[in-house]
Amino acid sequence: GQNIDQPTEMTATEGAIVQINCTYQTSGFNGLFWYQQHAGEAPTFLSYNVLDGLEEKGRFSSFLSRSKGYSYLLLKELQMKDSASYLCAVRDPYSGAGSYQLTFGKGTKLSVIP
Amino acid sequence: EAGVAQSPRYKIIEKRQSVAFWCNPISGHATLYWYQQILGQGPKLLIQFQNNGVVDDSQLPKDRFSAERLKGVDSTLKIQPAKLEDSAVYLCASSSTTQQYFGPGTRLTVT
Repeated sequence: GQNIDQPTEMTATEGAIVQINCTYQTSGFNGLFWYQQHAGEAPTFLSYNVLDGLEEKGRFSSFLSRSKGYSYLLLKELQMKDSASYLCAVRDPYSGAGSYQLTFGKGTKLSVIP
Repeated sequence: EAGVAQSPRYKIIEKRQSVAFWCNPISGHATLYWYQQILGQGPKLLIQFQNNGVVDDSQLPKDRFSAERLKGVDSTLKIQPAKLEDSAVYLCASSSTTQQYFGPGTRLTVT
């Protein structure tokens, strides 16, 4: 089975830095995704970590520790448009070309305030 | 490249009625997924197709939900009869080896 935990809500100030944590206990693991989802819209891909360490992509960075079952998404220089839900998802072991499953956490709703 | 297409975008029905959703994945993507996302929660996988075959439908409530992907491209998801608790956004996704791409979803309201 899969158990993925992330905070329900967070609030941060425009221009600041925020870290959204995700912990997981899974029966199989082949990487961790972060998706961004604006209200009423589809999730969009932010990052994918399969090895331990930090992956940086512009204002967004994602970190993974497989031994601790822990990941975080770091958002720098927050903008109002970053107000959205951030979904942590664990990828099950690869089962074929393009065929794998994601198990999602409940999402963290981030509100950026002026 | 065109993204994942879904229709309709919104649907309101009464309980015990039936409803169908349509999805057209990204061209060339063999794997297609249907998810249910209840307000305030993450997407929950309902069914996964590889080409026109079902890979996993263990979380599909088969007494009322059905899905097909007859020619290995488009897919339809049907609910019959609908219950109040089926109110949710139904997301379709297709995958490459690196990520899943989501469609805009169908927001279903059952009254």
